[in-house]
Amino acid sequence: AQSVAQPEDQVNVAEGNPLTVKCTYSVSGNPYLFWYVQYPNRGLQFLLKYITGDNLVKGSYGFEAEFNKSQTSFHLKKPSALVSDSALYFCAVRTSGGSYIPTFGRGTSLIVHP
Amino acid sequence: GAGVSQTPSNKVTEKGKYVELRCDPISGHTALYWYRQSLGQGPEFLIYFQGTGAADDSGLPNDRFFAVRPEGSVSTLKIQRTERGDSAVYLCASSSEAGGWGGYTFGSGTRLTVV
Repeated sequence: AQSVAQPEDQVNVAEGNPLTVKCTYSVSGNPYLFWYVQYPNRGLQFLLKYITGDNLVKGSYGFEAEFNKSQTSFHLKKPSALVSDSALYFCAVRTSGGSYIPTFGRGTSLIVHP
Repeated sequence: GAGVSQTPSNKVTEKGKYVELRCDPISGHTALYWYRQSLGQGPEFLIYFQGTGAADDSGLPNDRFFAVRPEGSVSTLKIQRTERGDSAVYLCASSSEAGGWGGYTFGSGTRLTVV
């Protein structure tokens, strides 16, 4: 079985400050990890992924995420938040073998205040 | 096409009616996924196609739900005898390889409302 936990329903941050959106996962075997962003009335947009290699992954719009195997975490980060970053963020995981189906977390609402 | 296209964008139907939701994936993408997203929740897996065949339909909630992909591109999700609990946004995604290593491209979804 595979699962994702996003422990925060909402994250509030001031514009210009660093942001972190948390994600922990559980899989059998090695994980493939993904972050997606969803704007109102839109589908999910791919931000970044970890498959293998460097634990620090850089993605779109200045976002990055750090894979931590010992803590089974894949937190999303950005050094300086923008108001336009306000959206819903979803973490997803699938195992490197077996099922090709990614499992998504419940999502975290990021609100960046001017 | 340039992206994953889903039609209609909105569908309102009466309880007990039959509905079809269409997904047109990115050209050449062999893998296609259907998810359902309820308000305040993450996407829940419904069914996965690899080519024309349903490789995994374990997420379909009951036998009122069915999906096809007869030519390996466009897919249709079919819901019979709709219930109010079926109201949700139905998302379609495709990927260029079975493993989805390149990520999954989502459509904008079909918002289904059963009244």
